[in-house]
Amino acid sequence: KAGVTQTPRYLIKTRGQQVTLSCSPISGHRSVSWYQQTPGQGLQFLFEYFSETQRNKGNFPGRFSGRQFSNSRSEMNVSTLELGDSALYLCASSYGAGLNTEAFFGQGTRLTVV
Amino acid sequence: KNEVEQSPQNLTAQEGEFITINCSYSVGISALHWLQQHPGGGIVSLFMLSSGKKKHGRLIATINIQEKHSSLHITASHPRDSAVYICAYNFGNEKLTFGTGTRLTIIP
Repeated sequence: KAGVTQTPRYLIKTRGQQVTLSCSPISGHRSVSWYQQTPGQGLQFLFEYFSETQRNKGNFPGRFSGRQFSNSRSEMNVSTLELGDSALYLCASSYGAGLNTEAFFGQGTRLTVV
Repeated sequence: KNEVEQSPQNLTAQEGEFITINCSYSVGISALHWLQQHPGGGIVSLFMLSSGKKKHGRLIATINIQEKHSSLHITASHPRDSAVYICAYNFGNEKLTFGTGTRLTIIP
């Protein structure tokens, strides 16, 4: 059974640009959550999608957005990139709705903003 | 103040030693998660528990709900266990709140 796949693995962008990251969950999983990991702040929750609906949202500015497609694949978008957006972005999928279920993480996308 | 405190922050041990990593939290929770992150970034979910004890191979996780404390134990530690171990909790359908992690290094 294939795991959670995130693309791309590495990305370098310039300040002011926008970026789209992709996450393909484990087959059959309908929930996808996104997290940002930085050395200073650690792991922080961005948002969670279930059946194409955003169920939970973390404390991030509106520049961070996401969506989920009918096949459960999810994308997150960051507009007007800032240097502080440089981070490892992780997604996790789970079978059920909500966060009280076991999550399976992808390898992450490492974004560098220059 | 982080709602999830882990100790120690860094731990270096010899191969074969028994390892304990602690996690304390300050609120009521639905579930406590233990995660493992290797260099390169990928995270593996080790345990999700809401009471008692769980065991998987050489790994054991315990939780005491009354004391708001969980421990992760590794028996017969091995260099491949070297990683960052992160505990996290959620309450109902609320977001996961993470600890800052414990960096474990096992020396052959």
